[in-house]
Amino acid sequence: GAGVSQSPSNKVTEKGKDVELRCDPISGHTALYWYRQSLGQGLEFLIYFQGNSAPDKSGLPSDRFSAERTGGSVSTLTIQRTQQEDSAVYLCASSQQGAGGELFFGEGSRLTVL
Amino acid sequence: KQEVTQIPAALSVPEGENLVLNCSFTDSAIYNLQWFRQDPGKGLTSLLLIQSSQREQTSGRLNASLDKSSGRSTLYIAASQPGDSATYLCAVKEVTGGGNKLTFGTGTQLKVEL
Repeated sequence: GAGVSQSPSNKVTEKGKDVELRCDPISGHTALYWYRQSLGQGLEFLIYFQGNSAPDKSGLPSDRFSAERTGGSVSTLTIQRTQQEDSAVYLCASSQQGAGGELFFGEGSRLTVL
Repeated sequence: KQEVTQIPAALSVPEGENLVLNCSFTDSAIYNLQWFRQDPGKGLTSLLLIQSSQREQTSGRLNASLDKSSGRSTLYIAASQPGDSATYLCAVKEVTGGGNKLTFGTGTQLKVEL
């Protein structure tokens, strides 16, 4: 696609439910990133993929969070047993291969946990 | 640990004024620095990317400079317009083994008034 696409754009869920957030990167971009932006907070790094592997998962806040990427393209971020503190905007970005690549972000998925 | 600071946190200027946004970072071992804008409820739009070997980049009314040794970058906006109102974020890509992640500042919220 022309840009990074994320779905759903908005998700409201009840505490304890599992949610899946999807990211479709720019075609040909091998690097994919997940970030989280909480109200009044800066952007927090979650995980980075190069191809289908994740060399850096250091930002995942707990074992309730996991992510996978298949076919070197679409990525899914899964949050199990959601908590109210998980409420945030989850942003995905992609870049071409190489450390110097420019990152392009999607519009984000706004998650609200009641 | 890399820390990125942006000053001021908020800025209000009359239309037509030239302005400078500041970004500082603590660890000069970076690949590049990227400036973004974020409109309310939206994702991040990339404005300028400066590689560590570069001193500045220009795009239209925007000019970004980088002084890696002193850990500083500035974003200069010429002849500001109400449409420039947004939050401006700077982010540095660190030279870490396999990490390749961006560390973000907390942003400068700009309002350009008629």
